[in-house]
Amino acid sequence: AQTVTQSQPEMSVQEAETVTLSCTYDTSENNYYLFWYKQPPSRQMILVIRQEAYKQQNATENRFSVNFQKAAKSFSLKISDSQLGDTAMYFCAFRFLFGNEKLTFGTGTRLTIIP
Amino acid sequence: EAGVTQSPTHLIKTRGQQATLRCSPISGHTSVYWYQQALGLGLQFLLWYDEGEERNRGNFPPRFSGRQFPNYSSELNVNALELEDSALYLCASSLTGGQGKDEQYFGPGTRLTVT
Repeated sequence: AQTVTQSQPEMSVQEAETVTLSCTYDTSENNYYLFWYKQPPSRQMILVIRQEAYKQQNATENRFSVNFQKAAKSFSLKISDSQLGDTAMYFCAFRFLFGNEKLTFGTGTRLTIIP
Repeated sequence: EAGVTQSPTHLIKTRGQQATLRCSPISGHTSVYWYQQALGLGLQFLLWYDEGEERNRGNFPPRFSGRQFPNYSSELNVNALELEDSALYLCASSLTGGQGKDEQYFGPGTRLTVT
């Protein structure tokens, strides 16, 4: 079974700084997706960024980028020029390419952006 | 376009009672997923419904059950409630089942408290 580990329960950073959230996973499969989800306080969970395992190029969405190291089974999220609205719980998640629909989540990292 | 909706927002039950949680997916989405977010445990996959059928379930006892209606809305039933069932229950929907690339859109959740 696949597992997802987020070893940083809480992080804080000054506004406008860059922060990196760590995630490692374990699977015997070769084809899968990795995601970072954001859950702001008392608000709905939204998808931040997605990475297909068969793509070598790291995904980027505006200020959000990932460092995907397939051999090391590592999938970190970098937030550049952090903003107050980035304050949230961030979850790393894994999903198979086909056939098994569930998302397997890590335990999350609570990120606080300090003004 | 309306997002995923869930009702009720909060639900308070006593141990041994039954709880029913409801979810309406985004229009056009046929797959509905249920997740449990218990304090300190991250999100755990509960159930996946697609086209009215249960396709997969997580490692939860049979007292967690549900169904999907012809209009693709879904309900989650939890029988014989236990204190440890207290959690935020999240529903998500996606366009189709069976393809990992399809994004899951989350609802705001139902906060179940068992006393």
